[in-house]
Amino acid sequence: AQTVTQSQPEMSVQEAETVTLSCTYDTSESDYYLFWYKQPPSRQMILVIRQEAYKQQNATENRFSVNFQKAAKSFSLKISDSQLGDAAMYFCAYRSATSYDKVIFGPGTSLSVIP
Amino acid sequence: NAGVMQNPRHLVRRRGQEARLRCSPMKGHSHVYWYRQLPEEGLKFMVYLQKENIIDESGMPKERFSAEFPKEGPSILRIQQVVRGDSAAYFCASSPTSVRRETQYFGPGTRLTVL
Repeated sequence: AQTVTQSQPEMSVQEAETVTLSCTYDTSESDYYLFWYKQPPSRQMILVIRQEAYKQQNATENRFSVNFQKAAKSFSLKISDSQLGDAAMYFCAYRSATSYDKVIFGPGTSLSVIP
Repeated sequence: NAGVMQNPRHLVRRRGQEARLRCSPMKGHSHVYWYRQLPEEGLKFMVYLQKENIIDESGMPKERFSAEFPKEGPSILRIQQVVRGDSAAYFCASSPTSVRRETQYFGPGTRLTVL
């Protein structure tokens, strides 16, 4: 069974600085998708970024980028120029590309942004 | 294009009552997923449905919980004889039928409180 681990329950970053959130996963599949979701205090789940496992190029969305290391099964999220609105829970998630069913979430990292 | 809609946003029930949570997927989406988020935890998969079919209910408790996605109308997650341990946020997600099936889009969630 696939699992997703986030080893940092809490992180903090100074406004305008850069922070990296860690994620590792375990799977025997070769084709899959990885995601980072943001959950602000409103509790809405917001898709931040997605990565296809078959693509070597790391995904980027404005200030958000990932470092995808397939062999190491690592998928970290880098937030550049952190803003107060980035404060939220961040969940790393995995989804098989063959079964297209459930998304498996990590336990989350709570990010605080210090003004 | 409206996103995934869930109602009610907040639901309070007394122990032993029934809770009905509704989810309308995004237009053009025929796959619906329900997740539960207990306090201080990540989202856990409950059930995956397509129109009139339950595809995967491996995450559903064996008793008191049921889900449906009828041909017409929203998907319903039903919890009978609620207990305090059912208090949680329940999220619905939907994904397209073909193009970009890998991404699930989440609704705002229903926060269930059992008194």
